Amino acid sequence: QITLKESGPTLVKPTETLTLTCAFSGFSLTTFGVGVGWIRQPPGMALELLALIYWDDDKRYSPSLKTRLTITKDTSNNQVVLTLTNVDPVDTATYYCAQLLGRPRSSFDHWGQGTLVTVSS
Amino acid sequence: QSALTQPASVSGSPGQSITISCTGTSSDVGTYDYVSWYQQHPGKAPKLMIYAVTNRPSGISSRFSGSKSDNTASLTISGLQAEDEADYYCSSYTTSSSFPYVFGTGTKVTVL
Repeated sequence: QITLKESGPTLVKPTETLTLTCAFSGFSLTTFGVGVGWIRQPPGMALELLALIYWDDDKRYSPSLKTRLTITKDTSNNQVVLTLTNVDPVDTATYYCAQLLGRPRSSFDHWGQGTLVTVSS
Repeated sequence: QSALTQPASVSGSPGQSITISCTGTSSDVGTYDYVSWYQQHPGKAPKLMIYAVTNRPSGISSRFSGSKSDNTASLTISGLQAEDEADYYCSSYTTSSSFPYVFGTGTKVTVL
């Protein structure tokens, strides 16, 4: 059974750095073609893909947020960490992590429950 | 990198069929058969419904089907049921930038 679970602060102040952890089980991030992505969803708005990390440590970032994002993996502990620097109230959203199965499937097959992060002073 | 375009809302009566479109470009939907669809009920995480344009994961009802023509992918829900009322998002592999995936704008499906 594959599970993912996000954890991190629920409230962050503007200009601070947000650090989120995705703990997963049921799959390995050393398996060819597998990745983990971070996706966020502001209240009432659409999904936005933020960052991806692949089994071979290839990392990809949303062009609009590239300078503020860092994604890393800890394969020994089955965790993926996302940091977002210099947060702003517009970063208020539910943040999800999801397992990505690469081509030919190219889909986010399993998702965490999400964690709501509010940016406010 | 622009989001894929979906209609804001689609509605139908129980038992009817509805189709949700997802329009991209030749850098994504038009060239690659890597379109997936996700269902999201309020307050819940998205759930994969279709991958690689036409494929259903195990456990997904055959009432859900996918297709693609040129730069537009489509999700059809046949025999619409009350439980199908949710938001739906498409996603595609893309080569428009170094960021390889893009989501759609989302469609609210209402069962009348």
